[in-house]
Amino acid sequence: EAQVTQNPRYLITVTGKKLTVTCSQNMNHEYMSWYRQDPGLGLRQIYYSMNVEVTDKGDVPEGYKVSRKEKRNFPLILESPSPNQTSLYFCASSLEAGGPQETQYFGPGTRLLVL
Amino acid sequence: GQQLNQSPQSMFIQEGEDVSMNCTSSSIFNTWLWYKQDPGEGPVLLIALYKAGELTSNGRLTAQFGITRKDSFLNISASIPSDVGIYFCAGTNGDSNYQLIWGAGTKLIIKP
Repeated sequence: EAQVTQNPRYLITVTGKKLTVTCSQNMNHEYMSWYRQDPGLGLRQIYYSMNVEVTDKGDVPEGYKVSRKEKRNFPLILESPSPNQTSLYFCASSLEAGGPQETQYFGPGTRLLVL
Repeated sequence: GQQLNQSPQSMFIQEGEDVSMNCTSSSIFNTWLWYKQDPGEGPVLLIALYKAGELTSNGRLTAQFGITRKDSFLNISASIPSDVGIYFCAGTNGDSNYQLIWGAGTKLIIKP
């Protein structure tokens, strides 16, 4: 089944404790992206990647890191989480590096609470 | 970063009613997309629009790419309970074709 998977789905952590949210897609997609969703703000892009070893900042990259060592995986790293990073996070992928105007497939989301 | 103006923020409607929502921008857009998010899930693409004036349907859903290229509309006819959720508009403008700009969403609630 074609899908985008994220782990964990739920995470409670404390300020400053490094964490990684994994994202994997099995559709051989070139474009992958991370978003955060906050009430009243919709989705805001954190980072995106057009292909392996190519990543770029989105609208709200501060406090986050990503890597794209393999085509299928695009982990999101919070080196020192802070409470303002409490949010719902979505990973997404689309077929072509032409970008997100191609059909983007979203993962199920990761709800993060930073205490 | 820029965000699209999406309205209304929420809608309470009766089953069977038609629904309209829209999205506007201060700049010209090249692409308009409409997504729906069910509770507890990620957004799913409903309709994609690529040309000014384009009118596209997907079942009971119809969306239009505004002639000015600064707005888009989504209509849902004869709403049913499974239409509840949050509808997002999104698009790309001349600044970058690799980043989607999103509206804040329209929450659709159907009154029992």
